[in-house]
Amino acid sequence: SAVISQKPSRDICQRGTSLTIQCQVDSQVTMMFWYRQQPGQSLTLIATANQGSEATYESGFVIDKFPISRPNLTFSTLTVSNMSPEDSSIYLCSVPQGIGYTFGSGTRLTVV
Amino acid sequence: EDQVTQSPEALRLQEGESSSLNCSYTVSGLRGLFWYRQDPGKGPEFLFTLYSAGEEKEKERLKATLTKKESFLHITAPKPEDSATYLCAVAWGGGSNYKLTFGKGTLLTVNP
Repeated sequence: SAVISQKPSRDICQRGTSLTIQCQVDSQVTMMFWYRQQPGQSLTLIATANQGSEATYESGFVIDKFPISRPNLTFSTLTVSNMSPEDSSIYLCSVPQGIGYTFGSGTRLTVV
Repeated sequence: EDQVTQSPEALRLQEGESSSLNCSYTVSGLRGLFWYRQDPGKGPEFLFTLYSAGEEKEKERLKATLTKKESFLHITAPKPEDSATYLCAVAWGGGSNYKLTFGKGTLLTVNP
């Protein structure tokens, strides 16, 4: 199965600033996915990142707030922009594994 | 209305005390049901995939079963190291653009 390296593992950020999260996969994958896991809530899909095309965002998520880059088949970044305390969550990247997904270790973001 | 509901939200067991976690779903066009284990500060770790009603999968002290409306994760003689949040997710919908919807998870604590 694919191995995903995600960083940073955690960060504490000031409101109004931005944080870029990186995900590196040890094999080439067509699709990479970004999830948010808010305290006590389900994992929610933010967007799907395809190499060579614009990311596809789910309802409630917009590119200006969560810009995504996918420069090649093994790497992607998610930026959380103009952060507010409501953005405090765990952010996870994942790649398809059969019909399911393999996940990175997550980035725990706290906005103060 | 939640499409994937897990119960209970939290479960505390004594070591050796067997029990079951439930995942009920209301989606149509089920493609697969997944169980993940998530430890604090880590991403979800894949446990099982179930594809059709009547299917069962086992791994060590865990056994997952699936019916047309729900899945159970049975834990036999649990140990403290089984303490984690257990997540259920369903893949559903037609074609290649299927959806993956997660439940909120069950926090399992096994006391020695």
